[in-house]
Amino acid sequence: GAVVSQHPSWVICKSGTSVKIECRSLDFQATTMFWYRQFPKQSLMLMATSNEGSKATYEQGVEKDKFLINHASLTLSTLTVTSAHPEDSSFYICSARSRGGGETQYFGPGTRLLVL
Amino acid sequence: AQSVTQPDIHITVSEGASLELRCNYSYGATPYLFWYVQSPGQGLQLLLKYFSGDTLVQGIKGFEAEFKRSQSSFNLRKPSVHWSDAAEYFCAVGARNNDMRFGAGTRLTVKP
Repeated sequence: GAVVSQHPSWVICKSGTSVKIECRSLDFQATTMFWYRQFPKQSLMLMATSNEGSKATYEQGVEKDKFLINHASLTLSTLTVTSAHPEDSSFYICSARSRGGGETQYFGPGTRLLVL
Repeated sequence: AQSVTQPDIHITVSEGASLELRCNYSYGATPYLFWYVQSPGQGLQLLLKYFSGDTLVQGIKGFEAEFKRSQSSFNLRKPSVHWSDAAEYFCAVGARNNDMRFGAGTRLTVKP
């Protein structure tokens, strides 16, 4: 149980294009989903927290217009990197916290983004 | 706000040897504490967690961790390391209805 998937697992795009990453909780309802960014050999940095049906809460320094988050259902959240630039290249990981599941977050396998 | 310190960036142990990874946290109330493991290019897998109760927590893959409130620590241990344990280990602290903060991670190398 408590499986989280991400799609795609990796993506290469040209500078200026937009990329959408999906995060799904496969066997539970996720009232809250989190988006993290991880640079090579570094820890996870929380980008934003999204609750189903409401606007995401972004961490300081994260541009909400650049990293669009939608949490339209209890099993799906999407992160769209708009007008991507090479500096947006990173490993993006989502996690989900279940309704009634306490404070444990279950993580997706991550999406590696490379912007050329 | 909560924070986590993992003092050791990189640890090397021989296969079969015991392991202890250190984690210190800072939080004003009773924390929720977690250890996750990450293999290269992968997401995070939960090893174990502490919310309350018995301060010695058993996890998957033979790992355990002990919560010591007086030392603000939650160190991860394993009595005998296997080569497959080589990975990055993250300690995290959470708060009720709040987000989670991660330590910088400790990279474990296992020598044959």
